[in-house]
This record gives sequence, C-alpha cells and structure tokens, in this order.
Amino acid sequence: NAGVTQTPKFQVLKTGQSMTLQCAQDMNHNSMYWYRQDPGMGLRLIYYSASEGTTDKGEVPNGYNVSRLNKREFSLRLESAAPSQTSVYFCASKKSGTLGGEKLFFGSGTQLSVL
Amino acid sequence: QQQVKQSPQSLIVQKGGISIINCAYENTAFDYFPWYQQFPGKGPALLIAIRPDVSEKKEGRFTISFNKSAKQFSLHIMDSQPGDSATYFCAASIQGGSEKLVFGKGTKLTVNP
Repeated sequence: NAGVTQTPKFQVLKTGQSMTLQCAQDMNHNSMYWYRQDPGMGLRLIYYSASEGTTDKGEVPNGYNVSRLNKREFSLRLESAAPSQTSVYFCASKKSGTLGGEKLFFGSGTQLSVL
Repeated sequence: QQQVKQSPQSLIVQKGGISIINCAYENTAFDYFPWYQQFPGKGPALLIAIRPDVSEKKEGRFTISFNKSAKQFSLHIMDSQPGDSATYFCAASIQGGSEKLVFGKGTKLTVNP
C-alpha cells in the first residue's frame, strides 16, 4: 500500500519560476491537505480539500493555488516562487465524516529551495 | 493567533528517563487532541490521540494526560529510548467541523544513550 505519494522529493527554483507539487493517495480518502513546515514554526496549513470538487484556504495560502483533480489527486502550484516559500511541503489525507476518521496520513514531503 | 501552544521547543533526556511535552489550547470547541511523531526526512505519523471525555490514555510507553478545565494536555514517554528521538507535534481539531487540524510548533526530543 503506497499511502500518500508526493513528487518531486527535492526541487530548486529560481525566484519567479513556477512549479506544481503533485500528491496522490490510494486510500479512498475524502479530505486532502497541503502543509508547509519551517523550523520553529511547526506545520502550517496552506490549503485543504474536504471533498472532491471543493478547496478552501488554510492559514498561509498567499502565493499558492491548488487543484483537486479527482478524489485521488491534490496538487499545489507556485505561480511565481519567492525565497520565502523555501520550505518542506507535506501533503496529507484522511477519511472524513466517520467517527475515528480523524487520522491524518502524511506523504514523505517535498524539500523546496527558492534562490 | 496561535491556537495550540507547545513547550518545550527542545528536550534532552537520558535513556530510561521520562520525557514530558506540554500543550495548551484556547478554543474550547476542540474535541480531538492527537500527537504526531516525525523522524528526520519523514512525514509526521499519528502516535496517540485523546478525546476530552477521558483524562488519560495510555498506549505502551506513551501516555496522554488531559486537563479540560485548564485547557492543557501533555505527552509522557516513559522509559525513553534513543529510538524515540524525533520531533513531536501536538494538535487539536473539532470533529465534524472544518476538518482542519491545528498543530503546535513541535518539540525536538533527543534521548541520549
């Protein structure tokens, strides 16, 4: 069972370049999330999708866009990368609407550097 | 506004000792309190979770203590082992609400042999 798969694992961008981080889950989960992790800042929610066809802003959405392509896939796009977006990005998923379904399953992360 | 405050930021414990990490929350509507464990280069993984209808939950060497009136909860790791060295995050959410987990800033635990 692959769980949550993120690509790429590492990426270096120049300021102003664009890129899309890909995420796919094979657990038939309804909800998907994008977090960024910075030293001393914990995990901060960028965007989430409670179900296929819906997306909502999290705590730090500026500079990002997302697409819930289908139930399996949730992508994060940086249109014009800035050094402040240097971070480790995690995709996560979970069931929703059921008792005990709150467990988040995380991918292994994408380490992004913007020069 | 930081909804979940976690302390300490880092913790060094000797093998066999007790590791204690504390969290405090503000929103009294929170009703689900998980702890996540993260090893270097990996994504966080659920370690243990508690709901406010109980004051304590134990799974092996890991125990969550919950104090609803003080709006605090803590993770105790008994007989800490070098393999427990990781970053630990507390979190909180409202079941059936916006489906968003709010995380603390994390505690880096080092267990020395």
